[in-house]
Amino acid sequence: DSGVTQTPKHLITATGQRVTLRCSPRSGDLSVYWYQQSLDQGLQFLIQYYNGEERAKGNILERFSAQQFPDLHSELNLSSLELGDSALYFCASSPFWSGGAGELFFGEGSRLTVL
Amino acid sequence: DAKTTQPPSMDCAEGRAANLPCNHSTISGNEYVYWYRQIHSQGPQYIIHGLKNNETNEMASLIITEDRKSSTLILPHATLRDTAVYYCIVRAASSNTGKLIFGQGTTLQVKP
Repeated sequence: DSGVTQTPKHLITATGQRVTLRCSPRSGDLSVYWYQQSLDQGLQFLIQYYNGEERAKGNILERFSAQQFPDLHSELNLSSLELGDSALYFCASSPFWSGGAGELFFGEGSRLTVL
Repeated sequence: DAKTTQPPSMDCAEGRAANLPCNHSTISGNEYVYWYRQIHSQGPQYIIHGLKNNETNEMASLIITEDRKSSTLILPHATLRDTAVYYCIVRAASSNTGKLIFGQGTTLQVKP
């Protein structure tokens, strides 16, 4: 158990809909990272937040947005969903914001299926 | 961050050592080598990391060549539960973000 909690574990929805994925980081971790893993793309970095502020951005679509709240949990909002958005979405956390020599701790993911 | 190259797949017999290679020929002096693994769609799991010295923990050993252009992850006694995708990642200590960039990794199949 990494200590990172993601909800929901599974989600099935229709095209055009909007969903919210939630992540609770390990106790004390200030950074949250979101990754997307689809069958043909591997693990893709989406975005990082540190203590409520956006820290780094990857290949995140404009239809997707994220935020980190004062209690440090984070939400990833996916809107106008398309079939291609079906994927596993992982959240990770770490106590630091930069490189250094530390590791990231990943949650078990949220599996999104868009029909 | 330097790019890494890994073989797409490897097999290993149960109980034998699994040696997973990684090439990172353009690595810089302040870049760490990290290894993670992902067991069948679970969240990636940290294994080990190192800068220039060899490292060992309860899961594995990391051997980094003297010129730091390649490394090998060693699972000393592979079990069926070690079947997973193994990712070798390089990240600079001076990076202004803690993100990790995953490549395609090596799919390790441990066989009975």
